[in-house]
Amino acid sequence: GQQVMQIPQYQHVQEGEDFTTYCNSSTTLSNIQWYKQRPGGHPVFLIQLVKSGEVKKQKRLTFQFGEAKKNSSLHITATQTTDVGTYFCINQFYFGTGTSLTVIP
Amino acid sequence: GAVVSQHPSWVICKSGTSVKIECRSLDFQATTMFWYRQFPKQSLMLMATSNEGSKATYEQGVEKDKFLINHASLTLSTLTVTSAHPEDSSFYICSARGPSGWTDTQYFGPGTRLTVL
Repeated sequence: GQQVMQIPQYQHVQEGEDFTTYCNSSTTLSNIQWYKQRPGGHPVFLIQLVKSGEVKKQKRLTFQFGEAKKNSSLHITATQTTDVGTYFCINQFYFGTGTSLTVIP
Repeated sequence: GAVVSQHPSWVICKSGTSVKIECRSLDFQATTMFWYRQFPKQSLMLMATSNEGSKATYEQGVEKDKFLINHASLTLSTLTVTSAHPEDSSFYICSARGPSGWTDTQYFGPGTRLTVL
């Protein structure tokens, strides 16, 4: 399977700032899932996107699936220290490269 | 619901020994389980997919004779690292997926940290 690329690899933000991570594929994705892994922990499911152009929200988190189904994004509004961790997108059980988020209090 | 356990949570062994890691779905039947390996500050790399009652499907570059996978029941899959060497030291994580049509979501175990001396 082809690994999906994520950018940025690392992101440091001040608490209260917004954060966005992007997931890009060279091929069309049937669906995409997002997971969060806290330091020392295991991945925890956040959401699955299936439809072209789909947008889903979970409180301060907004997930978007591109019209061409080749990219996806996760946006966090007003980050909190509890948002610290690595965010992965997954395509067909293959993890993206991940974005590690650090929130500075 | 949808809890996956792994045992042991950590293990230290001598080079040349074999280590078995168990992955159990506690409250659901998992027709498919996945084994991943994660090195520090890196993403999870899929090692193999195991389906209950059949041979595992290994990803390219993963030695099937070194990483033996058995999925003997709908709630248990095991990964045995044979003749472990220091380069096998890593964080091994399993995940389980429900029956077809139930959900594509993977439920991850807490992981097993293997250190080979």
